[in-house]
Amino acid sequence: LAKTTQPISMDSYEGQEVNITCSHNNIATNDYITWYQQFPSQGPRFIIQGYKTKVTNEVASLFIPADRKSSTLSLPRVSLSDTAVYYCLVGTSNSGYALNFGKGTSLLVTP
Amino acid sequence: GAVVSQHPSRVICKSGTSVKIECRSLDFQATTMFWYRQFPKQSLMLMATSNEGSKATYEQGVEKDKFLINHASLTLSTLTVTSAHPEDSSFYICSTSGDLNEQYFGPGTRLTVT
Repeated sequence: LAKTTQPISMDSYEGQEVNITCSHNNIATNDYITWYQQFPSQGPRFIIQGYKTKVTNEVASLFIPADRKSSTLSLPRVSLSDTAVYYCLVGTSNSGYALNFGKGTSLLVTP
Repeated sequence: GAVVSQHPSRVICKSGTSVKIECRSLDFQATTMFWYRQFPKQSLMLMATSNEGSKATYEQGVEKDKFLINHASLTLSTLTVTSAHPEDSSFYICSTSGDLNEQYFGPGTRLTVT
């Protein structure tokens, strides 16, 4: 599985846009990029997934450049409840693949 | 997405006893489930892959005789921590795969061994 690198922590104020970038230089052709959010003492929650270019859902946007060696999770107008750890993962398209969690990015949103 | 439940949500047991944690896929038939362990302030670590009707596949360094996994049906996988010790105290999380490569995680089980 491709190794990922993210900033350990980020701080933001409420209402700002937050962009978290993840590096995955060894991404394979079949790999998808998936982001998860985890609150303390809870299981991770799927946020968004993409293969290339841009993906947007009701929660976030995911930007993936043409070389796919990095990706950026964009959270628009964050609120206090967005304080969590965000994980970027890269994996194959086969059902049943195992996830290799990196250290994640701890986002702190303050008033 | 798939809904995954775990039971119990937290458990305290004495050292030397065994504890069983259940993971259920409530609306999805899961041929494969995954078990993770997470220590405080650390990331999730994959322990094993649970396959319905066959033996689990354990990650390197995880004792298969200590962490017994049973996946007897498409909706239930169990993890039994045998002869638990304080160092086994951790947050145990299961997951199952969705249709689009994403994973759906259970809420986790907090195990405390005294």
